[in-house]
Amino acid sequence: NAGVTQTPKFRILKIGQSMTLQCAQDMNHNYMYWYRQDPGMGLKLIYYSVGAGITDKGEVPNGYNVSRSTTEDFPLRLELAAPSQTSVYFCASSYPPSGGPNTEAFFGQGTRLTVV
Amino acid sequence: GENVEQHPSTLSVQEGDSAVIKCTYSDSASNYFPWYKQELGKGPQLIIDIRSNVGEKKDQRIAVTLNKTAKHFSLHITETQPEDSAVYFCAASPHGAPLVFGKGTRLSVIA
Repeated sequence: NAGVTQTPKFRILKIGQSMTLQCAQDMNHNYMYWYRQDPGMGLKLIYYSVGAGITDKGEVPNGYNVSRSTTEDFPLRLELAAPSQTSVYFCASSYPPSGGPNTEAFFGQGTRLTVV
Repeated sequence: GENVEQHPSTLSVQEGDSAVIKCTYSDSASNYFPWYKQELGKGPQLIIDIRSNVGEKKDQRIAVTLNKTAKHFSLHITETQPEDSAVYFCAASPHGAPLVFGKGTRLSVIA
C-alpha cells in the first residue's frame, strides 16, 4: 500500500524558475493538503482541497498554485521561485476531515526544495 | 484563526525517564488534537490523538491529556527509549478545518 507519494524528493531551482511538486494518494481520500516545513517553525498550510475541483488557500499561499482534477492527485505549482520558498514540502491526505471518525492525516515523505 | 503554542522546543531525557510535551490552543471550537512523530528525513506520522469529549487517552507508553477549560493538552511518554528520539508535533483542528501545528519539540533520549 503506497499511501501518499511525493515526487521529486529533492530539487534545486534557480530564482525565477518554475516547477510542479507532485502528490498522489491511493487511499481514496477526499481531503488533501500541502504544508511547508521550515526549521523551528512547524508545518504551515499552503493550500488544501476537500475534493476534486475544489481548492482553498491556507495560511501561506502566496507564490503557489494548486489544482485538483482527480481524487488521487494534488500538484503544487511554483511559478517564479524565490529564495523564501526554500523549504521542505509535505503533502497529506485524510478522510473524512479532522474532527470526525477515522481522521488520521497521512503524510508523504516530503520534497526538499532549495532555491538559489 | 487557531494558534497552537508548543513547549519546550528541545527536550533531553535519560533512557527510562519520562518526557512531557505541552501545547496550548486558542480556538475553543477546536475538537481534535493529534500528536505526530517525525523521524529524520521522513514525513510526520500520527502516534496518538484525542477528541474534545475525552480527557485522557493512553496507548502503551504514550498518553495524552486534554484540559478544555484551560485550552491545553499534553503528551506523556514513559520509560523512554532511544527510538523515541524524534521531533514531535502537536496540532489542533476546529470542526473539520485543516490541522494547525505547533512548532515542534526535538526529543533526545540519552542512553
